[in-house]
Amino acid sequence: QQPVQSPQAVILREGEDAVINCSSSKALYSVHWYRQKHGEAPVFLMILLKGGEQKGHEKISASFNEKKQQSSLYLTASQLSYSGTYFCGTGLRAQKLVFGQGTRLTINP
Amino acid sequence: DAMVIQNPRYQVTQFGKPVTLSCSQTLNHNVMYWYQQKSSQAPKLLFHYYDKDFNNEADTPDNFQSRRPNTSFCFLDIRSPGLGDAAMYLCATSSERGQSYEQYFGPGTRLTVT
Repeated sequence: QQPVQSPQAVILREGEDAVINCSSSKALYSVHWYRQKHGEAPVFLMILLKGGEQKGHEKISASFNEKKQQSSLYLTASQLSYSGTYFCGTGLRAQKLVFGQGTRLTINP
Repeated sequence: DAMVIQNPRYQVTQFGKPVTLSCSQTLNHNVMYWYQQKSSQAPKLLFHYYDKDFNNEADTPDNFQSRRPNTSFCFLDIRSPGLGDAAMYLCATSSERGQSYEQYFGPGTRLTVT
């Protein structure tokens, strides 16, 4: 079952914050986040393995609420390089990830 | 640098003419995946190898086959490509050993069917 991402698209000015949500109707064991720039391969951002876990890398962080079967990706003080399509992937460990439909993020100067 | 390599990057084939896409990796990962990604859509898993064990997705058409002759190489064969098979094909790897679970993607092969 494909997880549902929201919003489908976001347009921001550089320096603004964004939140991308990923929810599933099935129990989640792990959530992966990837970013894909146009014409390029997806690039791994982070994986969350436990309920309620939060992770962060510089100004990008994520939370995982196992009970609510959802994860959120937080982008703080966005930079132009953050532009791209963000996918969440859900599954057991790294096998058989099912990706959400993607959220297109556009950062304008 | 350790990486996932896909060849060719662009492939044009004729309707019904068999085509093979290749993927190699220097990461020594035991799991390899093939995804199909159409424009503005999410990558869709076609199949994956866990070591030598082949795992086919239920909705992957029989037209798609795969071979993994050794740990480093994996091939995607499309026996009779149709116009609907035009897409980006992504190879990815991951390791189920230790704590590393993320998938590393190759640059993809863009397939055009004429």
